[in-house]
Amino acid sequence: DADVTQTPRNRITKTGKRIMLECSQTKGHDRMYWYRQDPGLGLRLIYYSFDVKDINKGEISDGYSVSRQAQAKFSLSLESAIPNQTALYFCATRGTGRDGGELFFGEGSRLTVL
Amino acid sequence: RKEVEQDPGPFNVPEGATVAFNCTYSNSASQSFFWYRQDCRKEPKLLMSVYSSGNEDGRFTAQLNRASQYISLLIRDSKLSDSATYLCVVNMPGGYQKVTFGTGTKLQVIP
Repeated sequence: DADVTQTPRNRITKTGKRIMLECSQTKGHDRMYWYRQDPGLGLRLIYYSFDVKDINKGEISDGYSVSRQAQAKFSLSLESAIPNQTALYFCATRGTGRDGGELFFGEGSRLTVL
Repeated sequence: RKEVEQDPGPFNVPEGATVAFNCTYSNSASQSFFWYRQDCRKEPKLLMSVYSSGNEDGRFTAQLNRASQYISLLIRDSKLSDSATYLCVVNMPGGYQKVTFGTGTKLQVIP
């Protein structure tokens, strides 16, 4: 089983619908992240969390919200999806260390908003 | 200027060739550097960290030039399986430890 699991892997939805992407991890890491990837733009940070009571906005948080239900779970919500939120979404975890350590990514959730 | 810049490529090279990618970063306070590999429609995975003294892992060599603010990745004896996008990743100092990704350089190794 993957250390970082994302569901759903693929989703097609319509404008205005509420969507939740879920992420769970078995690595025991406190730090969790949500990124989106668009062609030519690389990975951009949406939200990050350093523990259950800590939630922080990233570069592009508008239109998104998150919930850290437990150390192992970090969900991303789109309250009212719009077409420009069509992208590949990655959850990642990270251990602690002098330089923060390696990022471990889930397999990605491909979202299409029509 | 982007915080982390990479030539998007694609770099089309024959099997067995040596290929090098550079990545420039804008913030001189950047602390740590990595190369990640991303296969098409897959998640990024750490290829190697980049140390000040440089480091080598088999056919892969990474170098850091702080004076000129760039890191490099050299791949020797390219294999078909090396075809992927290579992401440059730069960590900033501070509690957040901001991680910035380059947009990636695409490598296609041709038989």
